[in-house]
Amino acid sequence: NAGVTQTPKFQVLKTGQSMTLQCAQDMNHNSMYWYRQDPGMGLRLIYYSASEGTTDKGEVPNGYNVSRLNKREFSLRLESAAPSQTSVYFCAHRVEGTEAFFGQGTRLTVV
Amino acid sequence: EDKVVQSPLSLVVHEGDTVTLNCSYEVTNFRSLLWYKQEKKAPTFLFMLTSSGIEKKSGRLSSILDKKELFSILNITATQTGDSAVYLCAVRWGAQKLVFGQGTRLTINP
Repeated sequence: NAGVTQTPKFQVLKTGQSMTLQCAQDMNHNSMYWYRQDPGMGLRLIYYSASEGTTDKGEVPNGYNVSRLNKREFSLRLESAAPSQTSVYFCAHRVEGTEAFFGQGTRLTVV
Repeated sequence: EDKVVQSPLSLVVHEGDTVTLNCSYEVTNFRSLLWYKQEKKAPTFLFMLTSSGIEKKSGRLSSILDKKELFSILNITATQTGDSAVYLCAVRWGAQKLVFGQGTRLTINP
């Protein structure tokens, strides 16, 4: 599992509902990332965290918030879900000089 | 604006053919370029490139980076049906930002 656990694997939300996607890594890496993947769009960066206690916006941050709770955990929150947020969400982590390791993804549908 | 662009977006070839996938980038403070293969779920790592002109090779796959012209290529020789996947290029720049291109969907027909 590339040292990362992502939950849940699937979720269906109604428009306006909120939810938090959880990500935890066990490789003691500083950097963590949240991406979304839509058909034909590659991976787009939502937020990232270079170290515990810091977070920065990526390419598509609107409608999302994140929390870097500690070195292991980086959560992504949708406060008021919209159909445009229907996507597959991936969490990733890395340490300087290495590749990024990805979780297995969360398939989110907003109806 | 920082960006990573892959081409072609889609490619269909016959088994045994050789393919070349392209990735160009425009970023500030470039650190490294990475290639990933994505089949059904999470992307899996192929190569990381940091220096120009040094080819990285793994079996039938190879990749090279040109930091002057700001691009990289991924070559796959003697393609097999198992090579069918989306190939993703990513560029790391700045502090820890890691941004992906749109991907190339490669289909290998028997």
